[in-house]
Amino acid sequence: GESVGLHLPTLSVQEGDNSIINCAYSNSASDYFIWYKQESGKGPQFIIDIRSNMDKRQGQRVTVLLNKTVKHLSLQIAATQPGDSAVYFCAEQTSYDKVIFGPGTSLSVIP
Amino acid sequence: DSGVTQTPKHLITATGQRVTLRCSPRSGDLSVYWYQQSLDQGLQFLIQYYNGEERAKGNILERFSAQQFPDLHSELNLSSLELGDSALYFCASSVPPLGGELFFGEGSRLTVL
Repeated sequence: GESVGLHLPTLSVQEGDNSIINCAYSNSASDYFIWYKQESGKGPQFIIDIRSNMDKRQGQRVTVLLNKTVKHLSLQIAATQPGDSAVYFCAEQTSYDKVIFGPGTSLSVIP
Repeated sequence: DSGVTQTPKHLITATGQRVTLRCSPRSGDLSVYWYQQSLDQGLQFLIQYYNGEERAKGNILERFSAQQFPDLHSELNLSSLELGDSALYFCASSVPPLGGELFFGEGSRLTVL
């Protein structure tokens, strides 16, 4: 069935370093991918998205890369800050509206 | 504040009971999604409605049902509750039926004893 998975369940980085969170997806027909951030006790929040006709998209301090050949996407966070500590989910849009989330990566920023 | 309201925030009940979780989407959003998040788990898609009609279905148990009303609010009904149903239940809304950012509520935490 459809699945979106993450390579690293936990990630610890020093404040100021760059963070890279990876994600593998299984459905080659998916055409829309989203990264969400979930802080403790809150619902997930949209960070950035990318469509399958792109391979890179940049936001403020975040960049998403999509490699359709190997069905992989990554989220890069520049100059990671303590406020970036959270669980990050990748998600894929499949079967029209069904948004499938991966298991999540916990990012911990060390001051 | 995402604009999505979920009630109740916390709910404790016993096995075998039935509960209803309520979601009010953002003003203008026609799509409502329900997700289940168990401890240390990801977000499991349950069901989606668009403008009152069921649009997509995930691994929703037969003991669970949902609907979206004409005023676009949605309810998730969980019956014959089991210990394993203890989880955070999130509602999200979006404008379009296809793609787009999902706006999540704060969740309803269900504890089944």
